[in-house]
Amino acid sequence: DTEVTQTPKHLVMGMTNKKSLKCEQHMGHRAMYWYKQKAKKPPELMFVYSYEKLSINESVPSRFSPECPNSSLLNLHLHALQPEDSALYLCASSHDGQGKTEAFFGQGTRLTVV
Amino acid sequence: SQQGEEDPQALSIQEGENATMNCSYKTSINNLQWYRQNSGRGLVHLILIRSNEREKHSGRLRVTLDTSKKSSSLLITASRAADTASYFCATDGGYSTLTFGKGTMLLVSP
Repeated sequence: DTEVTQTPKHLVMGMTNKKSLKCEQHMGHRAMYWYKQKAKKPPELMFVYSYEKLSINESVPSRFSPECPNSSLLNLHLHALQPEDSALYLCASSHDGQGKTEAFFGQGTRLTVV
Repeated sequence: SQQGEEDPQALSIQEGENATMNCSYKTSINNLQWYRQNSGRGLVHLILIRSNEREKHSGRLRVTLDTSKKSSSLLITASRAADTASYFCATDGGYSTLTFGKGTMLLVSP
């Protein structure tokens, strides 16, 4: 199984809502990532979890809250988002986060904030 | 911050032709990777070239890396309509944190 599965595929939420994005992989990877991609732009790194510990937070606003319950799962909790947060949110995983191997990406969640 | 810069931003060719995309970066790297993205969905890893390698092949793909010029190129030979996608280079400075370039949109017409 070489897949990273993200749910939901699409999400529309109001600015007062609380929602969560989910990501799962069963490749035994120990590093997992959240990226944000705006239309016609490249992905930008948000968070990195290495061995279930948050290792990198790229100065992301606190309305985005990541969680890594175990080595296979990664969540992104969303609260009080703004319309400009509308984007494609991509989850990825890699072997061990030591920079030796490629990343595997999920199909993303397309988020619209209204 | 964006490290990789792709060139050209858009490329339109006919099936059977070769497509070449270039990428420049600014800082030292652990490795450089190329990804493909179809229609704004997930990215698919194509090829990884390490900083001590100069050229790598995978099927119809050929990647070169010139660390002295901080540049890389991706060549797709004998292109097909199914190769139509956006292509991104990504530099890995360590810990598998990727910094993506702006990407090249490739259109291959039948």
